[in-house]
Amino acid sequence: GENVEQHPSTLSVQEGDSAVIKCTYSDSASNYFPWYKQELGKRPQLIIDIRSNVGEKKDQRIAVTLNKTAKHFSLHITETQPEDSAVYFCAASKTDSGGSNYKLTFGKGTLLTVNP
Amino acid sequence: EAQVTQNPRYLITVTGKKLTVTCSQNMNHEYMSWYRQDPGLGLRQIYYSMNVEVTDKGDVPEGYKVSRKEKRNFPLILESPSPNQTSLYFCASSFWEGSYEQYFGPGTRLTVT
Repeated sequence: GENVEQHPSTLSVQEGDSAVIKCTYSDSASNYFPWYKQELGKRPQLIIDIRSNVGEKKDQRIAVTLNKTAKHFSLHITETQPEDSAVYFCAASKTDSGGSNYKLTFGKGTLLTVNP
Repeated sequence: EAQVTQNPRYLITVTGKKLTVTCSQNMNHEYMSWYRQDPGLGLRQIYYSMNVEVTDKGDVPEGYKVSRKEKRNFPLILESPSPNQTSLYFCASSFWEGSYEQYFGPGTRLTVT
């Protein structure tokens, strides 16, 4: 089955700096890569996703890049703010027999701390 | 309000005492899923359901059962809980096509002594 490795497990940055979290996946058939943010004591929420026909996607201060050849994808957060502090999870999935990408394999998470 | 609800939110029980954690969504989603979250292990899928009466095992199904008799409900059943099932459990739902965003419930913290 799919295996997703996520690094680093913890990341501490100063407010205003950039943060980068990297993930690698094992199944070359995977074609959908979402990122979820989980604040302390809260539920995970989708912040951005990318499909394998796209190399990069941006949404304000966050961006995701995908390198299909190397089987890795990264989350980039610019101009970090204290409210960006959370655990971030990457995930990967491939299209199933029903035509959906519902079954996700998650990385183990990165605890991002943004220091004021 | 569109939401996924879980009950109970917190549960302390003893080894071997059967329990059910309920999950309900009001968004008419086809897909529903159960995850467990453990420190350092991330989110691991237990079971998922593609629609009513259609379920399949995820990555860590041992010790759990599910059923999907109605589209909105997807209960998680622990027939004989053991201490290694102490965890934070999340239910999630999603549409079958289009956006694959999974909407998570608030979580159920289960402790088995």
